[in-house]
Amino acid sequence: GAVVSQHPSWVICKSGTSVKIECRSLDFQATTMFWYRQFPKQSLMLMATSNEGSKATYEQGVEKDKFLINHASLTLSTLTVTSAHPEDSSFYICSASSGRPSYEQYFGPGTRLTVT
Amino acid sequence: GESVGLHLPTLSVQEGDNSIINCAYSNSASDYFIWYKQESGKGPQFIIDIRSNMDKRQGQRVTVLLNKTVKHLSLQIAATQPGDSAVYFCAENAGGKLIFGQGTELSVKP
Repeated sequence: GAVVSQHPSWVICKSGTSVKIECRSLDFQATTMFWYRQFPKQSLMLMATSNEGSKATYEQGVEKDKFLINHASLTLSTLTVTSAHPEDSSFYICSASSGRPSYEQYFGPGTRLTVT
Repeated sequence: GESVGLHLPTLSVQEGDNSIINCAYSNSASDYFIWYKQESGKGPQFIIDIRSNMDKRQGQRVTVLLNKTVKHLSLQIAATQPGDSAVYFCAENAGGKLIFGQGTELSVKP
């Protein structure tokens, strides 16, 4: 149980275009989903927290207009990187929590974004 | 041995030896800690967790030790195997958010 999927697993896009990444909880309802970014040889950095039906809460330094997060249902959250630039190239990982307990998060397999 | 700096700290061990990976956490109010294993190109994989009211917890071949006095966590892996080669992260739960440590790359020599 507690499986989280991400789609796509990797994507290459051109500078200036937008790309959407999906995160799904397959066998449980996720009241909260989290989005992380990880650069090579670095740790995971939390970008934002989203609760179903509410606006996402962004961490300091993360541009909310650039990284659009939608959590429209209890099993799906999307991250859209708008007007992507090469410096946005990174590994994006989502996690999901059912809230019971609140601290348990289940991680997706990640999405490798390369902006050319 | 270990090295720190701009690169990920690394720990190299011989197959069959025990590994000890250390982590310092930042928030004395954190009440829950987790160790994750991350293989190249994959998401973090849960290994073991510990609540702040405990100082030791054992799993299969793994043990986590928590020292709240000095805000230190360690992960011990017994009889390390080549399949244990990965990056290991500790994480602390701070107000419902996970804060990850810098990670340690474990390399197991056959």
